[in-house]
Amino acid sequence: QKEVEQDPGPLSVPEGAIVSLNCTYSNSAFQYFMWYRQYSRKGPELLMYTYSSGNKEDGRFTAQVDKSSKYISLFIRDSQPSDSATYLCAMSASNSGYALNFGKGTSLLVTP
Amino acid sequence: GAVVSQHPSWVICKSGTSVKIECRSLDFQATTMFWYRQFPKQSLMLMATSNEGSKATYEQGVEKDKFLINHASLTLSTLTVTSAHPEDSSFYICSGRSSGNTIYFGEGSWLTVV
Repeated sequence: QKEVEQDPGPLSVPEGAIVSLNCTYSNSAFQYFMWYRQYSRKGPELLMYTYSSGNKEDGRFTAQVDKSSKYISLFIRDSQPSDSATYLCAMSASNSGYALNFGKGTSLLVTP
Repeated sequence: GAVVSQHPSWVICKSGTSVKIECRSLDFQATTMFWYRQFPKQSLMLMATSNEGSKATYEQGVEKDKFLINHASLTLSTLTVTSAHPEDSSFYICSGRSSGNTIYFGEGSWLTVV
């Protein structure tokens, strides 16, 4: 079993929809949770960073971490065609040198 | 957010030659830098972790004599692919860990070995 599970999609939504992206994980030592957006042929761009459990909001993006369920989410409100990309969840722990463990990435397409 | 500069963005080399990729953290000091490889439609695979001034730690299955990593300063790490072969063609991405334990990625380097 992979340490981080993420549905690869593809996920297709109409412009303006609320998008929900999720990951589950098995390693209870993970403390740092990140969401990255990756456009084709580009490096990942950090969207959200959360330490431990809780919610974090930044503009149209909201990240949630539920450590008790080992479940993290990213919500995108008022989705735009420019949000079309692959979204990667990633997490790390101090006891493993902070190396990121990635999900497979979810491919999102927002149609006009 | 913090910026990590990676160079070159694209490189084509002949089989058997060596290629060096540079990774610089421009506005933060990266005590730790990570090198990843990503094949098409796959997630990032960690190759090695390097701490400034120390030897890199390689993941299982990654040849340390083939992928030479140097992390000579808090803002610069390099990956040298030695005696490159076509199967080494891939997207290589570096990342740096900030003091707040946030990890920022470079733009990546596309390597094609012909």
